[in-house]
Amino acid sequence: QSVLTQPPSVSGAPGQRVTISCTGSSSNIGAGYDVHWYQQFPGTVPKLLIYGNSNRPSGVPDRFSDSKSGTSASLAITGLQAEDEADYYCQSYDSSLSGSVFGGGTKLTVL
Amino acid sequence: EVQLVESGGGLVQPGRSLRISCAASGFTFDDYAMHWVRQPPGKGLEWVSGISWNSGSRGYADSVKGRFTISRDNAKNSLYMQMNSLRAEDTALYYCAKDTSGHYGDGMDVWGQGTTVTVSS
Repeated sequence: QSVLTQPPSVSGAPGQRVTISCTGSSSNIGAGYDVHWYQQFPGTVPKLLIYGNSNRPSGVPDRFSDSKSGTSASLAITGLQAEDEADYYCQSYDSSLSGSVFGGGTKLTVL
Repeated sequence: EVQLVESGGGLVQPGRSLRISCAASGFTFDDYAMHWVRQPPGKGLEWVSGISWNSGSRGYADSVKGRFTISRDNAKNSLYMQMNSLRAEDTALYYCAKDTSGHYGDGMDVWGQGTTVTVSS
């Protein structure tokens, strides 16, 4: 059981907008720690998608955005494309564990 | 080119020890915190351990606390993980990852290709 909870799967049609939720608690997201998002294609290395205060590394399109409220955060993908089909993970810091934590991951399927 | 290259993985019997390493290049290693993240076959990512830029702060997942020790040698641009009392559930691909800041707990913007650790008799 992950400290950060993500839906196992989400899906959407090309061009649509999808969101992936990441639910934590008062010792991580709710404590104000940043949430970071990663994209991982099968058999490849995870890639940082969004970090810190909604920062996107160079090369990440602005179709990817994030939001945070209370003990939850969300990743939004607009203008869904076939190449967005991948696994997505959220990550934050947890003060009670004194370490980082990942969500269980969400598999995005583009219909 | 910014690069992380892990090494030292392999097949080890339960209860034995293994030390994995990560060689960094292309960035100022001692400016950043570093992490070990693992991924069991077919499963999700699990943060294992992190170390601040000057080794002053280290953290561990509960699943490895007391068995694994993270360390770094800034003179050699290298990160290490000493893994003792290995268990079958430690079997995974182990990634070395660079933090975006000097204190672990922020995003990880550079990842190595990983080194596979298999614990089996």
